[in-house]
Amino acid sequence: KQEVTQIPAALSVPEGENLVLNCSFTDSAIYNLQWFRQDPGKGLTSLLLIQSSQREQTSGRLNASLDKSSGRSTLYIAASQPGDSATYLCAVDSGAGSYQLTFGKGTKLSVIP
Amino acid sequence: DGGITQSPKYLFRKEGQNVTLSCEQNLNHDAMYWYRQDPGQGLRLIYYSQIVNDFQKGDIAEGYSVSREKKESFPLTVTSAQKNPTAFYLCATDLGFDTEAFFGQGTRLTVV
Repeated sequence: KQEVTQIPAALSVPEGENLVLNCSFTDSAIYNLQWFRQDPGKGLTSLLLIQSSQREQTSGRLNASLDKSSGRSTLYIAASQPGDSATYLCAVDSGAGSYQLTFGKGTKLSVIP
Repeated sequence: DGGITQSPKYLFRKEGQNVTLSCEQNLNHDAMYWYRQDPGQGLRLIYYSQIVNDFQKGDIAEGYSVSREKKESFPLTVTSAQKNPTAFYLCATDLGFDTEAFFGQGTRLTVV
C-alpha cells in the first residue's frame, strides 16, 4: 500500500529565504505527483502536477522535482513571502485501478515578515 | 465563474440525524470524489464516481452514501451510522485517469 510522508511537519523561515519542502513515497510505480496548497479552513489549491515521465515542473516562484526511482519529490519556493504561509500537501496517483490520490499529512509553512 | 461549489460551508448535525453535503461542478469533469480530512491525518477517500449513475467505495465508506444522477452533481449523505462524523469534507473533480485534481472549498461538519 502506498504511503506518503512529508518532513518536516512544520517550517518557519524569514521572508525572502528560498526553501525546500520534501515529499517521499514508498511505491515508485506512480502515474503522477501533485502539490497542493491549503489555507486554514479552506480547500486545496493545485500548484503543480508532475507526470511520471517528467523530472520537474515550474510555475512562477515554485519548482517541483520528481525522482521516481528514489521515491522523492521536492517543492522549491524562491524568495518566500508572508503570503506563502499555508500548509503544503503532496499527493501521488498510483493508478493501477486505484482511482484515488494518496496524500501526505502536509508541511505547515510560516514565512515571518 | 467555473469551479467546484460545496455547500453549506458549515453544517451542524444532531445525534441520529442524516445530513447531505452538496458538491456541484461546472468544469465538465467526468470524475468526482469525496474526501474526509481530520486534524493530523492525510485526506482519506470516502467515495468516487467516474461516470453518471456509477460510484465506488473508497477506504472509509461506512456510514456514508452518495448518488450521481447528473454529471455536475455528487452529493454526500452522512448517515446516523457514521459514529464520528465531525470532520472537514472536501469534494474533488478531475477529467479521469492521470489528470490534475481540483478541489472545492470544503464543508465543516460538526456533531452537536
